[in-house]
Amino acid sequence: DGGITQSPKYLFRKEGQNVTLSCEQNLNHDAMYWYRQDPGQGLRLIYYSQIVNDFQKGDIAEGYSVSREKKESFPLTVTSAQKNPTAFYLCASRRTIEGYNSPLHFGNGTRLTVT
Amino acid sequence: AQKVTQAQTEISVVEKEDVTLDCVYETRDTTYYLFWYKQPPSGELVFLIRRNSFDEQNEISGRYSWNFQKSTSSFNFTITASQVVDSAVYFCALSGPSNDYKLSFGAGTTVTVRA
Repeated sequence: DGGITQSPKYLFRKEGQNVTLSCEQNLNHDAMYWYRQDPGQGLRLIYYSQIVNDFQKGDIAEGYSVSREKKESFPLTVTSAQKNPTAFYLCASRRTIEGYNSPLHFGNGTRLTVT
Repeated sequence: AQKVTQAQTEISVVEKEDVTLDCVYETRDTTYYLFWYKQPPSGELVFLIRRNSFDEQNEISGRYSWNFQKSTSSFNFTITASQVVDSAVYFCALSGPSNDYKLSFGAGTTVTVRA
């Protein structure tokens, strides 16, 4: 079955360390997105990529970095510059050829805890 | 700027009761798209429905129904005869050309259905 795989489900890191969250999709979707979810704040967009080798900052990109070397993969690195990295991170993708109202498909998320 | 407001933070009902989730949006776009997503305890957001701004027809899908009122900028969601499996966080979202069709999410409403 096609879908989006995020790994690991839970991640623990010490403050000051960079950490990379994995996101892989086999849906043949062009666009991929990273969201951060905090209690009571909904989802906020970190980065997104419409095509391979191109990506744009979202609303809260500071302290994060991404790459899009392959269509299937869109890893997110949480750097030590991110002030409050503890959160639930969701990866999503969509098929842009379906139009502007095509829905996002989401992965199961990675819960990152930094102490 | 685009904004989605879900004023209800939490709703608790007993099984078989109906529950209505409010969603109010703001946008300067004349064409835009509205979505509802469900996030069960597993964490993955599940797409429920999308609505184009030029289509104000209400929709029913099983126990779910949606009421789109352009005049009041609202896109409310009703679960009829709620079940325990409906317990989840529900998000309303908006996209349009002024935000490059990126989704803006509301803060979400947590629905708890008690047996």
